[in-house]
Amino acid sequence: EPEVTQTPSHQVTQMGQEVILRCVPISNHLYFYWYRQILGQKVEFLVSFYNNEISEKSEIFDDQFSVERPDGSNFTLKIRSTKLEDSAMYFCASSEAEDSHEQFFGPGTRLTVL
Amino acid sequence: SQKIEQNSEALNIQEGKTATLTCNYTNYSPAYLQWYRQDPGRGPVFLLLIRENEKEKRKERLKVTFDTTLKQSLFHITASQPADSATYLCALDMRSSASKIIFGSGTRLSIRP
Repeated sequence: EPEVTQTPSHQVTQMGQEVILRCVPISNHLYFYWYRQILGQKVEFLVSFYNNEISEKSEIFDDQFSVERPDGSNFTLKIRSTKLEDSAMYFCASSEAEDSHEQFFGPGTRLTVL
Repeated sequence: SQKIEQNSEALNIQEGKTATLTCNYTNYSPAYLQWYRQDPGRGPVFLLLIRENEKEKRKERLKVTFDTTLKQSLFHITASQPADSATYLCALDMRSSASKIIFGSGTRLSIRP
């Protein structure tokens, strides 16, 4: 069964460093998302992406964040200058089409900022 | 802004019984309401979606109801099994096209043998 994959599974970085989290969505999906979940808290929407551009973003997704689909398969989230409070699980998700509301989530990347 | 409340932080029930989880929201009704399952350290897994004009949806041992007057959804697992133990997330999908989902904080369900 096709699935969303994410790498790395765990990333440790120093405060102020840039990180890139990678995702490979399901191949025929058109909509892509990033969410984060701080330990013990709810899953929070960051950004949605369609047709090579951001379609919606939350207040969390400030200028420190950017997303890119550099080729036909990868979808990346970049955090330019990480802060301690960026430590969280980051989930990538994808969905098939405009009328499809089921989002398929990846296993997540645990980001630890020291 | 839209708020979602899942009334129980944790629910502990006996195997074989029906588990009922509650999701309440404020303000305007979503176009769609979804339920996800999340296991520790894993991403959410989609279970069921119900539209604003539907009252009830079923899938195997799962049943979801949606009452837009009460602004509430109930999620039932019948004949519960220890393997059903997980956190269950209610999620609001506000628009008619694929878009962001607003998640509740979840209810941690434990099924004891």
